[in-house]
Amino acid sequence: KAGVTQTPRYLIKTRGQQVTLSCSPISGHRSVSWYQQTPGQGLQFLFEYFSETQRNKGNFPGRFSGRQFSNSRSEMNVSTLELGDSALYLCASSATSDVTEQYFGPGTRLTVT
Amino acid sequence: DQQVKQNSPSLSVQEGRISILNCDYTNSMFDYFLWYKKYPAEGPTFLISISSIKDKNEDGRFTVFLNKSAKHLSLHIVPSQPGDSAVYFCAASGYNTDKLIFGTGTRLQVFP
Repeated sequence: KAGVTQTPRYLIKTRGQQVTLSCSPISGHRSVSWYQQTPGQGLQFLFEYFSETQRNKGNFPGRFSGRQFSNSRSEMNVSTLELGDSALYLCASSATSDVTEQYFGPGTRLTVT
Repeated sequence: DQQVKQNSPSLSVQEGRISILNCDYTNSMFDYFLWYKKYPAEGPTFLISISSIKDKNEDGRFTVFLNKSAKHLSLHIVPSQPGDSAVYFCAASGYNTDKLIFGTGTRLQVFP
């Protein structure tokens, strides 16, 4: 069974631009969660989608948004990029809404210059 | 407000010795705790977990201890191996949160 895949793996953007990251969950998994990892902050929860509905949201500004498609693939969008958005963005999927059974993708490394 | 804290950003241990990674939490409603291991350029992978009804869970070289009164958990790796060198994250979930709350991570280096 293929694991969680994220594209692109690396991305460089300029302040003020917007970016879209993609996550394909493990086949059959309906829940997708997104996390931001920065040095000193660990993994911070962004949001979770389950069957195309946002089930949970972390404490991030409205510039961060996401969606999930009917095939469970998910996208995350960040508008008006800031230098502080430079981070590793991780996606995790699980078969049910039980987030303690998540499988993580390798992440997308976003650098904002 | 960091509800899950890993106060040691790094730890260096000799091969064959014990590695002890610590994690503290503030939310008494957390009832399930997990440890993840992360290598560079890879996503975190689940290592071991413990429910709040237990105070110890063991899986091979890895043992997690939970002290509910102190709101503290620790991961013991015995014996440590160079392949254990990675960043370790603890995470928690509970009645009042249906998402995982992660700590900031501890970088473990096991040297020969």
